[in-house]
Amino acid sequence: DADVTQTPRNRITKTGKRIMLECSQTKGHDRMYWYRQDPGLGLRLIYYSFDVKDINKGEISDGYSVSRQAQAKFSLSLESAIPNQTALYFCATSDSGLAGRGEQYFGPGTRLTVT
Amino acid sequence: DAKTTQPPSMDCAEGRAANLPCNHSTISGNEYVYWYRQIHSQGPQYIIHGLKNNETNEMASLIITEDRKSSTLILPHATLRDTAVYYCIVRARFGNEKLTFGTGTRLTIIP
Repeated sequence: DADVTQTPRNRITKTGKRIMLECSQTKGHDRMYWYRQDPGLGLRLIYYSFDVKDINKGEISDGYSVSRQAQAKFSLSLESAIPNQTALYFCATSDSGLAGRGEQYFGPGTRLTVT
Repeated sequence: DAKTTQPPSMDCAEGRAANLPCNHSTISGNEYVYWYRQIHSQGPQYIIHGLKNNETNEMASLIITEDRKSSTLILPHATLRDTAVYYCIVRARFGNEKLTFGTGTRLTIIP
């Protein structure tokens, strides 16, 4: 969905490096999410944010941190990357009305490889 | 959230109706059934959701059994572009942001 963009789309980094994944949206939604997907598995929620002052941990937040710089921007950081953080990362957005319907809009994903 | 069970894979001929089943025998009264799909590692796409009545939109129909323990997503005239992994998710409508994606059903549309 072009309304939700993620940068970079692909990244290879080394163990111990700090890396930031960025997400921007033009949908005007107040809620934003970060998920990761491992090969052959479903998506798991890392962090989510209801607005710039409201950040919440998901089911697998250890090793990650986030920053909501503005309503339209939500960044995910790996302070010290490790190989088992190699995965496909998705950003998603929603708003209170859509969230109530379980509707989230996903970005194209970032493929991260930690060597 | 209630757990869901889906077949790992299914095939369907192009132009025919694709019927994807989902079991959710532990669903509670305030939980909805949601369907998403993911086409070849792209971001998941919302399809439809329902509580107890059958639902239809421009993409699909959702049939929920009377006891709500199972449901079927129907793609009425499947095309090759419908080849994807389909996820059935059960979640309370409010007070819970998490969408729990299992492993889904890999649907392959055969030309």
